[in-house]
Amino acid sequence: AQSVTQPDIHITVSEGASLELRCNYSYGATPYLFWYVQSPGQGLQLLLKYFSGDTLVQGIKGFEAEFKRSQSSFNLRKPSVHWSDAAEYFCAVGDSNYQLIWGAGTKLIIKP
Amino acid sequence: DAGITQSPRHKVTETGTPVTLRCHQTENHRYMYWYRQDPGHGLRLIHYSYGVKDTDKGEVSDGYSVSRSKTEDFLLTLESATSSQTSVYFCAIGQGEDTQYFGPGTRLTVL
Repeated sequence: AQSVTQPDIHITVSEGASLELRCNYSYGATPYLFWYVQSPGQGLQLLLKYFSGDTLVQGIKGFEAEFKRSQSSFNLRKPSVHWSDAAEYFCAVGDSNYQLIWGAGTKLIIKP
Repeated sequence: DAGITQSPRHKVTETGTPVTLRCHQTENHRYMYWYRQDPGHGLRLIHYSYGVKDTDKGEVSDGYSVSRSKTEDFLLTLESATSSQTSVYFCAIGQGEDTQYFGPGTRLTVL
C-alpha cells in the first residue's frame, strides 16, 4: 500500500542552526512529491515539489529537498532556520488518482 | 494565493444536527477536495470531486456526503453530526497531478 512516513513527530532546533526533516514514502511508480508547511491556525502552503528532473529541488523561504529513489526519501533541508520557521511540515506523495497521500507531519520548534 | 474561501470559519453544533460546509473557488480548477485534520493523523481525505456532479469517496467518507453543482462550489454535509466529527476541515483545489491549494479551514466542534 502507498504510504508516507515522517519519523519525527517533533524536532527542536536552535535559531540559526541547520535543519533536516525526514520523509520516506512507499509508492510503486515514479512519485510526485510535495512538502507543505502549516503555521498555527493557518491552512497549508506549498514549499516545494518534485515531479521529475533534477533531484535537488529549491522551494520558497530558503528550503530545499532532495529526492533519493534508492532510499525512497524526500528530505527537507534548510541551512539556517529562523524563528518564523516554527510550524508543522507535511510531506505528501501524489498517486495515480490525483490524490495526495500524506505523512502525519513534523512539528518544528525553534529555540532562541 | 489561490482564490479559495471556506464558510463558515468556525462552527459549534450539537450532536445529531445537520451541518453543511462550503468551499468556493475562483480559480476554475477541475479538482476539489475535502480533508479533515486531527492531531497525530495529518490530513485525511473525506471526498473529492473531479468535475461538476462527479465525486468520489476518500479514506474517511463515512458520515459525510458532498455535492458539486457548479465548478466553483463544493459542499460537505454531515447529515447527523457526531462528536467524532469534531475536527478542522480543509478544502483544496487542484488540476490533477499538480499542486493542491488549500483554503483557510473550518473549525467544527460537535457537542
